[in-house]
Amino acid sequence: AQTVTQSQPEMSVQEAETVTLSCTYDTSENNYYLFWYKQPPSRQMILVIRQEAYKQQNATENRFSVNFQKAAKSFSLKISDSQLGDTAMYFCASLFNAGNMLTFGGGTRLMVKP
Amino acid sequence: GAGVSQSPSNKVTEKGKDVELRCDPISGHTALYWYRQSLGQGLEFLIYFQGNSAPDKSGLPSDRFSAERTGGSVSTLTIQRTQQEDSAVYLCASSLTGGLGEQYFGPGTRLTVT
Repeated sequence: AQTVTQSQPEMSVQEAETVTLSCTYDTSENNYYLFWYKQPPSRQMILVIRQEAYKQQNATENRFSVNFQKAAKSFSLKISDSQLGDTAMYFCASLFNAGNMLTFGGGTRLMVKP
Repeated sequence: GAGVSQSPSNKVTEKGKDVELRCDPISGHTALYWYRQSLGQGLEFLIYFQGNSAPDKSGLPSDRFSAERTGGSVSTLTIQRTQQEDSAVYLCASSLTGGLGEQYFGPGTRLTVT
């Protein structure tokens, strides 16, 4: 079975600082994608960043970047220059080639403080 | 273009009643997914539709849950004889191709069973 684990239920960061959210996963497959989704109070799940497992280079999207450690099955999200609008639940998720669905971690609630 | 839409936004129902939740995917997307988000279980997959293929129902928690997708577009998730443990946010997502393609989420329907 595929599993995704987020060990930090809640985190906080001061505005303009950097924060890292942790995620680990377990799979025996070689072909898969990893994602970070943001869910603000509006409930809309918004894709933040994605990483293809076959790519060694870490994905980046503006202030968001990942540290993908395939051997360690680790996929952390770094948010630089945190903004008040980054306050939300963040979900790590995986999509494995053998399956049809996203497998989600339990989420991390991030609070950005002014 | 228009994103994934879901209706109703909120639904309150009495225990034992049947409910129908609707999802309108992004036009042209062949794959459609239903997920459930609850406090106790986190985010979990329910069902997946891909084109005209038989749906993957492996995530449905009981036979009180069913879903259909008419004409390869709109989908309805039906819960019969609702129970209090069915209270959750039901999220729909669509994907252009399915498989490892990116999933776009709707805003969800919050179901409360009293």
